[in-house]
Amino acid sequence: GAVVSQHPSRVICKSGTSVKIECRSLDFQATTMFWYRQFPKQSLMLMATSNEGSKATYEQGVEKDKFLINHASLTLSTLTVTSAHPEDSSFYICSARDVGGWSYNEQFFGPGTRLTVL
Amino acid sequence: KQEVTQIPAALSVPEGENLVLNCSFTDSAIYNLQWFRQDPGKGLTSLLLIQSSQREQTSGRLNASLDKSSGRSTLYIAASQPGDSATYLCAVVGDGGATNKLIFGTGTLLAVQP
Repeated sequence: GAVVSQHPSRVICKSGTSVKIECRSLDFQATTMFWYRQFPKQSLMLMATSNEGSKATYEQGVEKDKFLINHASLTLSTLTVTSAHPEDSSFYICSARDVGGWSYNEQFFGPGTRLTVL
Repeated sequence: KQEVTQIPAALSVPEGENLVLNCSFTDSAIYNLQWFRQDPGKGLTSLLLIQSSQREQTSGRLNASLDKSSGRSTLYIAASQPGDSATYLCAVVGDGGATNKLIFGTGTLLAVQP
């Protein structure tokens, strides 16, 4: 149990285009999901907290108009990178908090999405 | 501001050796601590979660300990195998668990030589 999927796993796009990344909890409900960014050989940095049915909470320094987050259901959160530029190239990882399982408060991570902006 | 540090940054050991990875955090008021494994280009796999009231957790060859007062956690791997090669990350949740935000450490890159 506690599986989180991400789609796509890899995307290459031209500068100026928008890219949507999906994060799904497959076998549990997640009222809260998190989006992280990871640069090569660095640790994960939290970008925003996605709350089902309400606005996302962004970390300091993260542009909310550039990284649009929608958490429309208990199993799906999307991150849209708008007008992507080469500096947005990174590994984006989501996680979901399983509030109903035995492992209360444990976060389960998706496999990540590698974004390359040309 | 919570800061999480992991030592060593990289470690290479021969197969079969027991090893310890270290994690330290500056604010002892944590809600829980979690150890993860990350393979190259992949997401994170949760290994162990220790609640703030617990001292240790065990899963197979893995044992994680937590000393809140000193701001330290260790991950002990027994009888290491080449398949254990990966980056190991520790992360803490503070804020009494209200936000459930994970603050990640810098990671330890482990290589187990056959």
